[in-house]
Amino acid sequence: EVQLVESGGGLVQPGGSLRLSCAASGFTFSSYWMHWVRQGPGKGLVWVSRINSDGSTTTYVDSVKGRFTISRDNAKNTLYLQMNSLRVEDTAVYYCARADLSGNYYPFDIWGQGTMVTVSS
Amino acid sequence: DIQMTQSPSSLSASVGDRVTITCRASQSIINYLNWYQQKPGKAPKLLIYAASSLQSGVPSRFSGSGSGTDFTLTISSLQPEDFATYYCQQSYITSYTFGQGTKLEIK
Repeated sequence: EVQLVESGGGLVQPGGSLRLSCAASGFTFSSYWMHWVRQGPGKGLVWVSRINSDGSTTTYVDSVKGRFTISRDNAKNTLYLQMNSLRVEDTAVYYCARADLSGNYYPFDIWGQGTMVTVSS
Repeated sequence: DIQMTQSPSSLSASVGDRVTITCRASQSIINYLNWYQQKPGKAPKLLIYAASSLQSGVPSRFSGSGSGTDFTLTISSLQPEDFATYYCQQSYITSYTFGQGTKLEIK
């Protein structure tokens, strides 16, 4: 079964750090670009970051640039999001998602169940 | 950056109704437009990609159309399991912007 499972969420104080993980199974992880998407409480979806298949290229939404780092370990089939200098407004459910590269349109065809990050004092 | 605007923000309909949701991009995205369905407490699910291509396993009552800046998602005959929030997303440029969502509720 094709699956993504996130972990690492929790409660952290403003200014703190957290590392999220996303374990992939059921597909050739190293062939796919991967994304992080977040959703604040009662809010819509916001794309956060992207990494290409070998990890050499990364992109971020402006609001997290310089604070978040996306990475991957293809040997462990795992995607990461290192989040530093966390702010209250980073509070959200964080989803990892796979980009379907079969047709050049790159929709997010597989999503994890999400992990909750709460930034509060 | 590309802004995506959905209308309406919420919609009440009955089982069996035909429903259309609109998504407008702030600039042309050709047909790099995807639609997702999200139910409460669950991850989004891909329904339509490339504006009109049905994702494998998605019922044929869902359809998408449009190009350039204006797009629509149509559900031909609403089923009870279709009551959810729907999001459009552009994949034309790296910002992968989502619309604000359309909540489809039971009348």
